Amino acid sequence: EAGVTQFPSHSVIEKGQTVTLRCDPISGHDNLYWYRRVMGKEIKFLLHFVKESKQDESGMPNNRFLAERTGGTYSTLKVQPAELEDSGVYFCASSFSVQETQYFGPGTRLLVL
Amino acid sequence: AQKVTQAQTEISVVEKEDVTLDCVYETRDTTYYLFWYKQPPSGELVFLIRRNSFDEQNEISGRYSWNFQKSTSSFNFTITASQVVDSAVYFCALRGDPGTYKYIFGTGTRLKVLA
Repeated sequence: EAGVTQFPSHSVIEKGQTVTLRCDPISGHDNLYWYRRVMGKEIKFLLHFVKESKQDESGMPNNRFLAERTGGTYSTLKVQPAELEDSGVYFCASSFSVQETQYFGPGTRLLVL
Repeated sequence: AQKVTQAQTEISVVEKEDVTLDCVYETRDTTYYLFWYKQPPSGELVFLIRRNSFDEQNEISGRYSWNFQKSTSSFNFTITASQVVDSAVYFCALRGDPGTYKYIFGTGTRLKVLA
């Protein structure tokens, strides 16, 4: 069974540009989560989807971040316009139910210059 | 507020040594879950263990063991006879309950096992 996959693995963009990150959860997992690790700090929660609905987006830093999960399958996280402080590793995780363990993808390393 | 502290930023050991990674947590919830994840150089977060707050039994899985002590709010992870392949960043995480599904992570401990 395939794990959580994320694309791209790395992205280098200039300040002011737009970047879209994609996450494909484990097949059958209705719950999808986005997290971010900035500058070697702790991994912080961004938001949680149940199928296509946003269950909790309390961790989204500001309105430059837009997450979608159309059809309840894969999810995208768009940063527009990107700022220097958005650099970090963006992790996606999924779980079958909210009670089950979250399984993480390999992350997307974003560098904003 | 919930918080996870991993005070050890980086640990270096020589192969075959035992090493313990510390994790201290804070929560007001009576029901909660604790996790350990491993992040090898390839980058993905690999799930290692999940423990709920009502189960204080220590767990052993091969060379890995976990010591959960509610009295000290700690969930420490020991690797016995460490190997070079154990080199990674290890994260401890907490999930409160009910209705809280996000994980609260510590800052991670980088373990270097030298041959």
